[in-house]
Amino acid sequence: GIQVEQSPPDLILQEGANSTLRCNFSDSVNNLQWFHQNPWGQLINLFYIPSGTKQNGRLSATTVATERYSLLYISSSQTTDSGVYFCAGPTEGAQKLVFGQGTRLTINP
Amino acid sequence: GAGVSQSPRYKVTKRGQDVALRCDPISGHVSLYWYRQALGQGPEFLTYFNYEAQQDKSGLPNDRFSAERPEGSISTLTIQRTEQRDSAMYRCASSPTGDGEQYFGPGTRLTVT
Repeated sequence: GIQVEQSPPDLILQEGANSTLRCNFSDSVNNLQWFHQNPWGQLINLFYIPSGTKQNGRLSATTVATERYSLLYISSSQTTDSGVYFCAGPTEGAQKLVFGQGTRLTINP
Repeated sequence: GAGVSQSPRYKVTKRGQDVALRCDPISGHVSLYWYRQALGQGPEFLTYFNYEAQQDKSGLPNDRFSAERPEGSISTLTIQRTEQRDSAMYRCASSPTGDGEQYFGPGTRLTVT
């Protein structure tokens, strides 16, 4: 089945820094989602982005479907950005999401 | 509007007992999914429904696990004769269409002692 790799696995930054998280897929995906799992364990939708670029405040995401990767950008990091970021996508013809192992982001004050 | 809800939020049970986990999807959503998440890992697919029909149960680990969605809305995931290895976060998600964005509930943390 499809493999999803996220990098880096861990990232520690100071408040105010910018970061880029990467997601690589072994096969083409119909759609791609980015999630933030906060310290309370809730999985929050960030982006639904099959291709192109989307922005929401300090966050933006870009998916290059033909090259099977997606990037999540976080600018001017805040401590509340801490948590685990997951990307996930269904393979063509399937509905179930396949998740990466996540990037654990820690923002220090 | 209301998001996906799950109950109970926490469940502690003794090995060998049966448990039933409930998911109430976003109103009107066609598809409902169950995932399991071990500590430090991403969620892994268990099964999903379109309306009341179970479309794929390839992720259910063994025949102790079953799920139903009899009226195409609320779903129940049942684990019979629980084992310690069943301890995990069980997450439910729903989407408005089969290939649409999936929205997750808060999860049920199951601990089998």
